[in-house]
Amino acid sequence: DGGITQSPKYLFRKEGQNVTLSCEQNLNHDAMYWYRQDPGQGLRLIYYSQIVNDFQKGDIAEGYSVSREKKESFPLTVTSAQKNPTAFYLCASSMLDRGLNEQFFGPGTRLTVL
Amino acid sequence: QQQVKQSPQSLIVQKGGISIINCAYENTAFDYFPWYQQFPGKGPALLIAIRPDVSEKKEGRFTISFNKSAKQFSLHIMDSQPGDSATYFCAASTTSNYQLIWGAGTKLIIKP
Repeated sequence: DGGITQSPKYLFRKEGQNVTLSCEQNLNHDAMYWYRQDPGQGLRLIYYSQIVNDFQKGDIAEGYSVSREKKESFPLTVTSAQKNPTAFYLCASSMLDRGLNEQFFGPGTRLTVL
Repeated sequence: QQQVKQSPQSLIVQKGGISIINCAYENTAFDYFPWYQQFPGKGPALLIAIRPDVSEKKEGRFTISFNKSAKQFSLHIMDSQPGDSATYFCAASTTSNYQLIWGAGTKLIIKP
């Protein structure tokens, strides 16, 4: 079964703690993305990566960090510097093929700060 | 210029009716316009997409209409069903940049 997995599905964090959200894909996609979605709102890009060991900031990167040590993995760390981290986090991947921009999404991780 | 403006924010349609969601853009370099469907608690999934060399694309009950001169595109859902109740996002990108620019989403409710 090819696809994107995110874990955990639900995550609770105390204020001041860093947490890491997992994203794995077995689609052999080059590019991976992290989005944040707040209730009733659209998707905002946090970070994206088009190649191993390289990544770029999106629109709302402050308070987040990522790594891309393997093609299939793109973990996101929500640091204590992120002032309002409670949200639904979505990971996506896509081929880097001219004209083929379809992004495939994982099931998401809902993070709640207590 | 990078924005994609989506309307309405929410929409209620009777079962069997036509649902219409609209998007507008400014960047004439955009050449790929997808629509995604998202159910509560799930990730979005690609529904249908169009390139500007055609004015309409149909897949089953879903149709994208594209107006290049007006810089607008819309999603039409024919014979809307309760199972179509979801949030719909339009997006746009260029083939030289793999980022998608997202609309704000439309929450669609189909009343039985």
